[in-house]
Amino acid sequence: SAVISQKPSRDICQRGTSLTIQCQVDSQVTMMFWYRQQPGQSLTLIATANQGSEATYESGFVIDKFPISRPNLTFSTLTVSNMSPEDSSIYLCSVVRDYQETQYFGPGTRLLVL
Amino acid sequence: AQTVTQSQPEMSVQEAETVTLSCTYDTSESDYYLFWYKQPPSRQMILVIRQEAYKQQNATENRFSVNFQKAAKSFSLKISDSQLGDAAMYFCAYRGIQGAQKLVFGQGTRLTINP
Repeated sequence: SAVISQKPSRDICQRGTSLTIQCQVDSQVTMMFWYRQQPGQSLTLIATANQGSEATYESGFVIDKFPISRPNLTFSTLTVSNMSPEDSSIYLCSVVRDYQETQYFGPGTRLLVL
Repeated sequence: AQTVTQSQPEMSVQEAETVTLSCTYDTSESDYYLFWYKQPPSRQMILVIRQEAYKQQNATENRFSVNFQKAAKSFSLKISDSQLGDAAMYFCAYRGIQGAQKLVFGQGTRLTINP
């Protein structure tokens, strides 16, 4: 498995502001993903973070709202822009080391928007 | 598009007993992976067990085993000798072999262990 860390672990933010979440892996990985888990809900994929190119977004998620960077094979950031209370969720980073392997998750970032 | 359905929002079991969580899925692919993840109150997603669709043998990990019925598109999780630490949300997930490698999750089942 991979050791994955996320920063911050939690935050309380005011509406209209932006928050950048970092995901760091202890080894190079093939793929990195960002998921959102709204309160009491399952996980929904936001986007696949591609190294050196633009992220691939799922239906209902756009780059202006959730810009993603992946400058190398061990690090990615997700920004939640112009936040509203509806963005209050847990945001999880996950990785796959190679195409045959299981997807492992970071500890998540719990975000509350007031 | 693939879908995953968990029809049991909540389940409870007595400590040391056995419980089975249900999961069905829909796909047109012939090769894929299926997973069960556990999410305790800490919110960390923990892999419980994984099944490759091309394998007929059901996966087993200690007290956790699956009943994989490919034709019926069913993938249930059996927890034997339930322990208090098993209390958590359990999510069934599907991942295709081709393409984006993304996981599609079911709605989750909240498992309570009664002492």
